[in-house]
Formats: sequence, structure tokens, C-alpha cells
Amino acid sequence: DTAVSQTPKYLVTQMGNDKSIKCEQNLGHDTMYWYKQDSKKFLKIMFSYNNKELIINETVPNRFSPKSPDKAHLNLHINSLELGDSAVYFCASSPYLPASGGYNEQFFGPGTRLTVL
Amino acid sequence: SQKIEQNSEALNIQEGKTATLTCNYTNYSPAYLQWYRQDPGRGPVFLLLIRENEKEKRKERLKVTFDTTLKQSLFHITASQPADSATYLCALLSGGYNKLIFGAGTRLAVHP
Repeated sequence: DTAVSQTPKYLVTQMGNDKSIKCEQNLGHDTMYWYKQDSKKFLKIMFSYNNKELIINETVPNRFSPKSPDKAHLNLHINSLELGDSAVYFCASSPYLPASGGYNEQFFGPGTRLTVL
Repeated sequence: SQKIEQNSEALNIQEGKTATLTCNYTNYSPAYLQWYRQDPGRGPVFLLLIRENEKEKRKERLKVTFDTTLKQSLFHITASQPADSATYLCALLSGGYNKLIFGAGTRLAVHP
């Protein structure tokens, strides 16, 4: 069973287009995240939702808009795509464990490689 | 400014030896630190978590140390195997909400 899944795996599109990436987790976790990994392999947090509420919103262009219809899903919509948006986007999730202060491991999806031409 | 530094060059070792990877940080006071493994074309996979009040953590052939005075974590793989070849990422807790800041990773290659 896939724990954290993303669709599509590959996305090739033209500059200026609008696209969406979908993420679903079947782990029953409360918190979900979007990360961007650029060509230099740096993995950077973009957004995080806890029970459908936005809790982390890094300095990301407002062309990027996350949406969480329920706590098992976190989608990422990108408007007016630019060349610099080309990267691998990872979705992740984590449980909330009060015993550990709420801090614990994150489970990552397989990634979506976005190429903007 | 805040920095997390891992060896940017690949680490090449012989099978059976111990691999030691370094993670140094500045201008952070993380409550905990995590290590992840990432294989090409795949998402990171969690390996170990160590808290600021823990000096050392072990899991099978893996060992992590955390020195908050030196601002450094060391990640060891004993009796390394070619299957251990991957990129290893360290990540610090930064602020609340389980927000992690990742280093760039160190690529490990274990040769038979």
C-alpha cells in the first residue's frame, strides 16, 4: 500500500501555463507538507497544513497556492509557470505525537518532476 | 546567517568500513535533528531522530551523535554495504510546527 502518493510523477509544460500537483496520504496523519528540491538538491519547505489549516507558509511566490480539502489530501496549484519553477516537488506527512512534543519523522512521497519549457 | 553544512563532495569508501558523515550548523539551536536517506529519483526516507539532550542514538548499523556545543552531528554506518550507497540528508527543527530545514546532503558510495 502506498503511504504518500503524488500525481503526476512527471509534468512538462510551457511557461505561463497553470498546473496542479495532487498528494494523498493514507497514514492517518494530521500534518502535510510541500517541499521543493531544486537542481542543487536543496530540499526547501514551502507550505504545511495541519488538519486542513495552513501553519507554515514560507516565502513563496503567491503564484503557488496550496489547498487541503481534507486532512488526507494536500494539492499544490501553480499559476503562470516560470522557468525557475522547474524542480522536483515532494509532498510529505507526519503524525502529531504529543509525547514527542509534536515533533517527529516525516514521510515523503515519490516526488513530481516539473519541467517548464 | 543560518547555515547547515554537509560535505558537498561524495564520500567513497570500501565495503565493510565505517562511513562517517558530518552535519554542521550555525545560528540554530535545534531541539532535535534528523537524518534521512534519499535514493536517486525517490523521496527522502527517515532514518534516525536525536534530541538536544541525547548524545547518541543507535539503530542497527546506524549511529548518530549530536554535540550542541560544537553544533555538529555525526552519522555513522558501520560494516557498510554497497546497498548503503545513497545521499544522506540531515535536517534541523527550526521553529514550531515540525518545520525542518535540510542540508544539501552528502552522497555516499560504498564500493565492493
